[in-house]
Amino acid sequence: GAVVSQHPSWVICKSGTSVKIECRSLDFQATTMFWYRQFPKQSLMLMATSNEGSKATYEQGVEKDKFLINHASLTLSTLTVTSAHPEDSSFYICSARASGGRETQYFGPGTRLLVL
Amino acid sequence: GQNIDQPTEMTATEGAIVQINCTYQTSGFNGLFWYQQHAGEAPTFLSYNVLDGLEEKGRFSSFLSRSKGYSYLLLKELQMKDSASYLCAVMDSNYQLIWGAGTKLIIKP
Repeated sequence: GAVVSQHPSWVICKSGTSVKIECRSLDFQATTMFWYRQFPKQSLMLMATSNEGSKATYEQGVEKDKFLINHASLTLSTLTVTSAHPEDSSFYICSARASGGRETQYFGPGTRLLVL
Repeated sequence: GQNIDQPTEMTATEGAIVQINCTYQTSGFNGLFWYQQHAGEAPTFLSYNVLDGLEEKGRFSSFLSRSKGYSYLLLKELQMKDSASYLCAVMDSNYQLIWGAGTKLIIKP
């Protein structure tokens, strides 16, 4: 299957700082990338959908000014958690999908964020 | 509204067979996916069904009945490493994935 990478895999930061997470599709061009958040023992929650070259579409309840998404190229999307607070501590997972809409979503390995 | 239903938890014995069911009601249908997620890890793709019938892939098989809004994932010759959560997801008419809450599968020796 296709390979999606995420960096960093772990991040610990102080409250009030900003954290950037990168998601890359390594062997295919990802027209669409998705950002999910998953709290312990809970199901995946879609945060936003980003298409290359356009603004991300955020799910209801997700603050677009707090979770900045940039999908500048067909292989890279970034999620920046601005002014992070302890309640933002979670497992952030990106997935990427090739063009055509029907293609499978492939997930990155995830990023664990701990805000102190 | 749209919803995906699957059992919260199932238990099976090593070497046995287990079937995880998934029923769905969505606005449109462009395929059904099964993903496996081990604790603390991201989901990995298992299967995709868009036509009725059974798709077999090694020890894992996935079945779809569009008229019944029903799918199942069949795992044979269970191994301890199969202990994980299994996520059912349906792609709706807008090509968005609607996720089930996942079924936690516990394998006992």
